[in-house]
Amino acid sequence: DSGVTQTPKHLITATGQRVTLRCSPRSGDLSVYWYQQSLDQGLQFLIQYYNGEERAKGNILERFSAQQFPDLHSELNLSSLELGDSALYFCASSVDSQGPNTEAFFGQGTRLTVV
Amino acid sequence: AQTVTQSQPEMSVQEAETVTLSCTYDTSENNYYLFWYKQPPSRQMILVIRQEAYKQQNATENRFSVNFQKAAKSFSLKISDSQLGDTAMYFCAFMKGRAGGTSYGKLTFGQGTILTVHP
Repeated sequence: DSGVTQTPKHLITATGQRVTLRCSPRSGDLSVYWYQQSLDQGLQFLIQYYNGEERAKGNILERFSAQQFPDLHSELNLSSLELGDSALYFCASSVDSQGPNTEAFFGQGTRLTVV
Repeated sequence: AQTVTQSQPEMSVQEAETVTLSCTYDTSENNYYLFWYKQPPSRQMILVIRQEAYKQQNATENRFSVNFQKAAKSFSLKISDSQLGDTAMYFCAFMKGRAGGTSYGKLTFGQGTILTVHP
């Protein structure tokens, strides 16, 4: 158990819908990262938050957004869903985004299926 | 931008034998970290080993060791005494170091290598 909790574990929804994925980081971790794992794109970085503020952005679509709340949990919102958004979405957390404590701990992922 | 390449989509090994997974990367950074992650069928991403680019000594973690060749930008993973539980997808990953600007902390992954350990 990495200490990072993601809910739900599985999600099936229809095209055009909107979903919210939730992530609770390890206790004490200030950085939260979102990654998307799909068959055609592999594992891709989407976005990072550090202590409530957006720190870095990757290949995140405009239909996707994220935020980190004061209690440090994070949510990834996916809207106007398309079949191609079907993927495994990982959340990871780390104590700091740089320095010696660079290890990122991953949650078990949310499997999103768009039908 | 950094790129990470794993040229072996699939590998197989007999139990108790040794296997090496390859990884090359491209970067203009001088300060960075390299990682190997394991993703078993449970899909959990598990850190196997990490290497700081400023350290010349290759990292080892029990049966896992790396061969880090900075000049060649190569970072291979050696698994000794392979066990059935080592069956998984293995990802090589890159992360910029402290001087990396706003991208520090994010991981750039290779495509992955599926390793199957046979009894």
